[in-house]
Amino acid sequence: ETGVTQTPRHLVMGMTNKKSLKCEQHLGHNAMYWYKQSAKKPLELMFVYNFKEQTENNSVPSRFSPECPNSSHLFLHLHTLQPEDSALYLCASSQVPDGYGYTFGSGTRLTVV
Amino acid sequence: GENVEQHPSTLSVQEGDSAVIKCTYSDSASNYFPWYKQELGKGPQLIIDIRSNVGEKKDQRIAVTLNKTAKHFSLHITETQPEDSAVYFCAAKKDSGTYKYIFGTGTRLKVLA
Repeated sequence: ETGVTQTPRHLVMGMTNKKSLKCEQHLGHNAMYWYKQSAKKPLELMFVYNFKEQTENNSVPSRFSPECPNSSHLFLHLHTLQPEDSALYLCASSQVPDGYGYTFGSGTRLTVV
Repeated sequence: GENVEQHPSTLSVQEGDSAVIKCTYSDSASNYFPWYKQELGKGPQLIIDIRSNVGEKKDQRIAVTLNKTAKHFSLHITETQPEDSAVYFCAAKKDSGTYKYIFGTGTRLKVLA
């Protein structure tokens, strides 16, 4: 496989559930990102990992918990979400940690019921 | 705060015509301006970018122009084709010291056959 792969593609969860989103990049990049995409809003940066270390947390609520076990894998653990958290969650990676040349995955469409 | 305004939000053109999408940024320190294309069910894909030391860049039917004095940049697509139909996002970033892109809200382009 090549590029940035996200699973699952679609997820429906209740507000009391716990679930995880997974991202894997096969590009040899060393920085990975989580973005939230909501309708009619700009993409919102959530977290940045640079060589597995979290370097940015954009004031994201603690019900979102990222994990980066190595530079190829990134997870977003979800618990006690709210309906307004429903969105497309995009993972991206880049070759160098200053963010040039993003490659995005296809995203996970999350619906919180 | 920092923001990028993008216009129009929707754009319909006849096949073969040109399409122009405009963005205005607020942070004068921004000096990297990428454009992304997002097709249905996919993540954004980088299609062209420009840095502040040039005023125009062209890649086949796609061109980007930058006016640093006025703080705006534009995407030009000539000889549009149905496969150009997608949502286009502009973004702005400072050259170093940050991973953060400021994205526009997107333009939905429809190319009518």
